[in-house]
Amino acid sequence: SQTIHQWPATLVQPVGSPLSLECTVEGTSNPNLYWYRQAAGRGLQLLFYSVGIGQISSEVPQNLSASRPQDRQFILSSKKLLLSDSGFYLCAWSPPDRVRLEQYFGPGTRLTVT
Amino acid sequence: EDKVVQSPLSLVVHEGDTVTLNCSYEVTNFRSLLWYKQEKKAPTFLFMLTSSGIEKKSGRLSSILDKKELFSILNITATQTGDSAVYLCAVKGISQGAQKLVFGQGTRLTINP
Repeated sequence: SQTIHQWPATLVQPVGSPLSLECTVEGTSNPNLYWYRQAAGRGLQLLFYSVGIGQISSEVPQNLSASRPQDRQFILSSKKLLLSDSGFYLCAWSPPDRVRLEQYFGPGTRLTVT
Repeated sequence: EDKVVQSPLSLVVHEGDTVTLNCSYEVTNFRSLLWYKQEKKAPTFLFMLTSSGIEKKSGRLSSILDKKELFSILNITATQTGDSAVYLCAVKGISQGAQKLVFGQGTRLTINP
């Protein structure tokens, strides 16, 4: 069966510091991978998605970047965090075929920028 | 721009009550609508609906899609405290590219004992 991992679970970082959040998927090959942010009391906002190694699509202009160095590894980064980057970050995967559209989420990282 | 709106935003009921959560959408070339349940952390997948008028059912939860009126409802009967969560609706449309979903803002459901 497939599992998705994210770390760290929680993170408190000062403004201006760098960020690196990691997501890995097990039990599947060539998954589609996604990064979402969820602000308090709001829905999920898609930040990035990837259909393969090195292929990243950005959904909104922002202070963040994403990379996919390996098939089942997805990294969210920032060089200098802003207060507005605080939120709950979720990684998700979906099967590579276009028929099954459901996405499966990792446990999330709660980021607080102080 | 594709849009998903859920109502109510928040709902508080007593254990044993039946609740109906609503999701309306505007999307180009609709493909499917999905419901998720989010408790403390990761949303968990509940249903995917692609055809109008066909009810999907899992235990006390059921959902139906109306593609003509562009909405879906999620029903929960005989609610239990474990049903307390945020329920998210998401829609996939072809113009959005590969496998991207647009999420609503969620309905926060609280079941009191």
